[in-house]
Amino acid sequence: AQTVTQSQPEMSVQEAETVTLSCTYDTSENNYYLFWYKQPPSRQMILVIRQEAYKQQNATENRFSVNFQKAAKSFSLKISDSQLGDTAMYFCAFTPLGNSGYALNFGKGTSLLVTP
Amino acid sequence: EAQVTQNPRYLITVTGKKLTVTCSQNMNHEYMSWYRQDPGLGLRQIYYSMNVEVTDKGDVPEGYKVSRKEKRNFPLILESPSPNQTSLYFCATGLNRQPQHFGDGTRLSIL
Repeated sequence: AQTVTQSQPEMSVQEAETVTLSCTYDTSENNYYLFWYKQPPSRQMILVIRQEAYKQQNATENRFSVNFQKAAKSFSLKISDSQLGDTAMYFCAFTPLGNSGYALNFGKGTSLLVTP
Repeated sequence: EAQVTQNPRYLITVTGKKLTVTCSQNMNHEYMSWYRQDPGLGLRQIYYSMNVEVTDKGDVPEGYKVSRKEKRNFPLILESPSPNQTSLYFCATGLNRQPQHFGDGTRLSIL
């Protein structure tokens, strides 16, 4: 079974600062996708960034970037120049591409508060 | 504009009364999936579908059914709802088995 662990239930950061959210996962698969989703207080689920495991280059989307360490099974999210609108719950997720099917597994989330 | 439409947005019902939550997408994506979100548990996948007439179980399929007769629709059916199915439900769709677009959620309360 695949598991996704987010070890930081809550974090806070000041506006304009940088924050890193941690995520580790456990799998025996070699090929998979990793995702970070954002859920603001409105409860919408928004895809922030994704990473294919076969790509060594870390994904980047504007102020959001990841540090993907495949050997360590680690997939952290870095938010640069934090903005008040980044306040949200952030979920890390994983889906294998092998014989174990295509189920998507989520971590339990990290609540991020951006303060003025 | 990419849209995933879920209905209803809110529903309060009673144990045992069959209900269906509809999900429709306008992006012609093959992949669609359902999740439930509960406090402290994050999101858990209920069912997913790789294409028309192709569905498979996620982590928590018990008590739910789905169907995929058309590419755009993926309804979630609760044949005999119970209070432990009170939750916030999301439908999602995307390319290459990647959930990129989510509906706005359906909050179900089963008394």
